Amino acid sequence: DQQVKQNSPSLSVQEGRISILNCDYTNSMFDYFLWYKKYPAEGPTFLISISSIKDKNEDGRFTVFLNKSAKHLSLHIVPSQPGDSAVYFCAAIVRAGNNRKLIWGLGTSLAVNP
Amino acid sequence: DGGITQSPKYLFRKEGQNVTLSCEQNLNHDAMYWYRQDPGQGLRLIYYSQIVNDFQKGDIAEGYSVSREKKESFPLTVTSAQKNPTAFYLCASSIVAHSNSNQPQHFGDGTRLSIL
Repeated sequence: DQQVKQNSPSLSVQEGRISILNCDYTNSMFDYFLWYKKYPAEGPTFLISISSIKDKNEDGRFTVFLNKSAKHLSLHIVPSQPGDSAVYFCAAIVRAGNNRKLIWGLGTSLAVNP
Repeated sequence: DGGITQSPKYLFRKEGQNVTLSCEQNLNHDAMYWYRQDPGQGLRLIYYSQIVNDFQKGDIAEGYSVSREKKESFPLTVTSAQKNPTAFYLCASSIVAHSNSNQPQHFGDGTRLSIL
C-alpha cells in the first residue's frame, strides 16, 4: 500500500508558467517531507524540504506547501524553465521504532515546453 | 569535487552469477544506503549503514549482501538468490543516518543491472 502518493505520473507546462506537483500521504506520523528531482540516468538530487510543524518553505523559484489536515503537500516552481524538466519525487520521513524511515512516492515527470 | 561515485554505469550478469556494484563517497558522510528502482515504482531500500562495520537490512534485502569496511565505501553484491535482479540501483549517503535526523540523502548516478 502506497503511503506517499503522487497521483499524476506526468505534467506538462509552458515555460514561464507555474508548475504545481502534488503529493498526498496517508500516515499522520510523517513528520518531515522532502522533494527530489531526477534527470534520466542520474541519481535524485535533493531540492527542498519541509517540517510538519510548518506550512510553507521557500527556496528561490521553489516553494513547498504543506496542508496537514488534508495530508497533502505540493511543490510550486515559478517561473518554470525547460531545465526543470525531470522526474520529481516526494518523500516522507516517519519514526519506525528506534529508527526513522524514508518513504518514497512513485514520481511525477514534469515537461516544461519552450 | 565531493560526491558519490557508482561504478559501473551499466552491468550485465549471467544467470547464477554474483555481481558486485561499487559505491564510493568522499563527502565524509557517516551513513550510506542502497536503493533499487524498478519501472513504475518508487525507490525501495535494500540495505543501509550508519557507521563503519555495521549495516541493517532495508525493505527488500533478500538476495543482496553488503559490507562497510571503510567509511568511504559501501559495495552491494547481488547474489544468485535474487530472483529478479534487473533494475536500476542507486547508492546514497547522508551526514547521519536517516534513523536519527532529517538530513537529506545525496545520490550517485546509479548502476543499471541487466541479466543476459
